This record gives sequence, structure tokens and C-alpha cells, in this order.
Amino acid sequence: GAVVSQHPSRVICKSGTSVKIECRSLDFQATTMFWYRQFPKQSLMLMATSNEGSKATYEQGVEKDKFLINHASLTLSTLTVTSAHPEDSSFYICSLAGSTDTQYFGPGTRLTVL
Amino acid sequence: AQSVSQHNHHVILSEAASLELGCNYSYGGTVNLFWYVQYPGQHLQLLLKYFSGDPLVKGIKGFEAEFIKSKFSFNLRKPSVQWSDTAEYFCAVNGMNNNDMRFGAGTRLTVKP
Repeated sequence: GAVVSQHPSRVICKSGTSVKIECRSLDFQATTMFWYRQFPKQSLMLMATSNEGSKATYEQGVEKDKFLINHASLTLSTLTVTSAHPEDSSFYICSLAGSTDTQYFGPGTRLTVL
Repeated sequence: AQSVSQHNHHVILSEAASLELGCNYSYGGTVNLFWYVQYPGQHLQLLLKYFSGDPLVKGIKGFEAEFIKSKFSFNLRKPSVQWSDTAEYFCAVNGMNNNDMRFGAGTRLTVKP
């Protein structure tokens, strides 16, 4: 399967600042990557689908101006949480779609907004 | 809208006990079904998947799952669990379009040595 990395693994920021999370595909050219959010003891929720070279597709209820996604290359997608607030604290996970409809997940980034 | 439900939030078993984790889905079309596992401190890994064919699917580490279309279920089983199976297990469903993937809430499995 594909290998996916995320950076940083953990970030703590002050309220009002912006945080960028990187998702890299190490051995696979991913035209499509996904961003999920996982609340404690809850399921993963799809936030958006990131398409290389085009605008991301956001799920209903996800603010596109708050969660900026950029998929600039086949191996890198970034999620920027703008003007972060404590309620944005969560575990953010990216994944990429493999060649057989299977998704491969990154290790996740834990964001804590103070 | 599609949804996935996992019946058990937390399951505690002793080693060598048999395991069955329930997963039911609601989806109005052809589905692909997955079980993912997240070991403590690690990221999600694919355990097994069903696309078509034999509804009994065998995955890694002795796990298997059975797709019962009439019951909209895809339960995960293992005849004899080990302490190292302690993890969070997620059932997931997607349609023909990969964008539709939905996850269940997860089931935490704790295996006591």
C-alpha cells in the first residue's frame, strides 16, 4: 500500500493564529487526497476532497474559508486552519485514494488551540 | 444519506476469546466495505476489504468479515484474539465514487492478557 506522512504530528497554537498541516504521499502519485477530522471517541468525518490542480470539494457544514486546502502537486496536499479557535482542536487525518478504491491514511495531526 | 453504525463502543475480552464486531450500513447502491484498525499510537491501517465475489473476506492477522447483503452487514470476526489485537476498529463504506466513504464510530477492543 501507499505510504502517507503528515507534518506536524502535534501542534499547539494560540487562538486566532493559523496552522498549516502537510500531507505527503511518499511513494504514490495521488490525484485525490482526503482530509478527515476525528473527535475524541467519535468517528472520522470527511471534511473535504483535495484534487490536484483544482479546488477542493468540501462536505456540507465545513467552512471552506476556514479550512483552506491546497493540493499543489501529486504528492502534497496542505490543510490550513485559519484563525483557529479552541473548538477547532481535534485530530486531523489525511488519506489518499489508491489504485483500487482503497484509502491509505496518514498518521494524523493533533491540533490543540489554546 | 449513507451511514455506518457499529454496535459496540468498547469490547473487553480475554486472550483466546472469540471476537465479533458488528457493522451495519445504509447505502442506496453498490458498496465497497472496509475494516480499518488503529493500534495505540499508530495510524489507521487497512485490515480487510470487500468489493465483490466471495462474501467471506479474509484479512491480515487472522481477521475475517462476512458481507451479508440482505442484512446490510459486514461483521468482523476473529476466532481467538491476542493481547496485540488491542486497538480501535473502524468499519467503513464507500460507493462507486470514493468521495462517499463513511466511517462508523469505531469500536475499542481491549484484550486482557
